[in-house]
Amino acid sequence: EIVLTQSPATLSLSPGERATLSCRAGQSVGSSLGWYQQKPGQAPRLLIYDAFNRATGIPARFSGSGSGTDFTLTISSLEPEDFAVYYCQHRRNWPLTFGGGTKVEIK
Amino acid sequence: EVQLVESGGALVQPGGSLRLSCAASGFTVSSKWMSWVRQAPGKGLEWVSIIYTDGTTYYADSVKGRFTISRDTSKNTLYLQVDSLRAEDTAVYHCARSLTTSSGFMNYFDYWGLGTLVTVSS
Repeated sequence: EIVLTQSPATLSLSPGERATLSCRAGQSVGSSLGWYQQKPGQAPRLLIYDAFNRATGIPARFSGSGSGTDFTLTISSLEPEDFAVYYCQHRRNWPLTFGGGTKVEIK
Repeated sequence: EVQLVESGGALVQPGGSLRLSCAASGFTVSSKWMSWVRQAPGKGLEWVSIIYTDGTTYYADSVKGRFTISRDTSKNTLYLQVDSLRAEDTAVYHCARSLTTSSGFMNYFDYWGLGTLVTVSS
């Protein structure tokens, strides 16, 4: 099983600031990594797939990068609606696994 | 519009069984890869099972032999039969549809339901 470790656990930032979230895989997943956003009481929302591809309707302020074992989700300028929990997920092999999440909270 | 609506969650005793349902609209369940993903209260996401368009299924090790994924084309509904339930199975169970791109299906999830809560407790 590929373990995905997200850091930091919590990120305290103000609207307008840049957010940088990390996801590290226990072994290479190539570029087979995605990112989700989840708000309380809502289902997760796919943001990025295969490391850097934005899903349909996702604003350009969200970007993904990385390959192999180290990946980054960047939110260039935080909007009020971006404060949420973010999860990474790989599709390299079975089982599919998710990271433990990073909570982006208002400072 | 694509919608996924789960039902069937309940409070059940350890060792009990349930059948979870996911009614789909806006697309045909049998034409997409479909999964169940669960989330324990206050915790992260855990993929549970998937069914491919050709009927091939995969399961997380934690549920293998106890859970069964299936679908009913006539009802456009995805199911998860959950047997021999344990306390650690307590979670909100989401159904989710796999992403389709120009390269084909990918095991990321672009549509999710809100989930149905399964609580395993005596």
